[in-house]
Amino acid sequence: SYVLTQPPSVSVAPGKTARITCGGNNIGSKSVHWYQQKPGQAPVLVIYYDSDRPSGIPERFSGSNSGNTATLTISRVEAGDEADYYCQVWDSSSDPNWVFGGGTKLTVL
Amino acid sequence: EVQLVESGGGLVQPGGSLRLSCAASGFTFSSYWMSWVRQAPGKGLEWVANIKQDGSEKYYVDSVKGRFTISRDNAKNSLYLQMNSLRAEDTAVYYCAREKRVVVAATYYFDYWGQGTLVTVSS
Repeated sequence: SYVLTQPPSVSVAPGKTARITCGGNNIGSKSVHWYQQKPGQAPVLVIYYDSDRPSGIPERFSGSNSGNTATLTISRVEAGDEADYYCQVWDSSSDPNWVFGGGTKLTVL
Repeated sequence: EVQLVESGGGLVQPGGSLRLSCAASGFTFSSYWMSWVRQAPGKGLEWVANIKQDGSEKYYVDSVKGRFTISRDNAKNSLYLQMNSLRAEDTAVYYCAREKRVVVAATYYFDYWGQGTLVTVSS
């Protein structure tokens, strides 16, 4: 099955830029989606199709995907951005097809 | 406004059964594939099962095949997960999620999630 690798944790000071990576074999050939999950809450889609933002998601959230790494970038980080972030792909040759990364805990210092 | 509301979770003994429900509103339920995704305590997200709009196709993660059954009632805008022969490792919050499928791009994701219902399997 296809494997997505995320760093367990990322720390950033308020106002700075956070980058959360998602590694996978030739992930640049797939579409990557990102979810934010705050403690005790359901996941929320923050980026789809590598870099598109759903309505209501701040422009501070952006995404990119190339080669073996996809990246979620959060600019001008705020305390309210502290959460777990998960990347996800759908891979037709994987079993199961739905694949999530292990998640990254973003800590705002 | 899209809403997904799960119910039916609780404490059950190993080997027992539970039926989870997800009530959908704010969209045309019968037009969407739907999934169940779970999250064990302190762990990441794991896709469990999904079902096609008319119920004609169903898929499961290997660990629940033969034990869990996904179903839907489009007249009631409801999704279900019948869980039998439960094990301790099935302990998790179970989320109902709407699938967004972009067939031409062969990419699928979850655009809406419910708040989840906790299933605890323990003696």
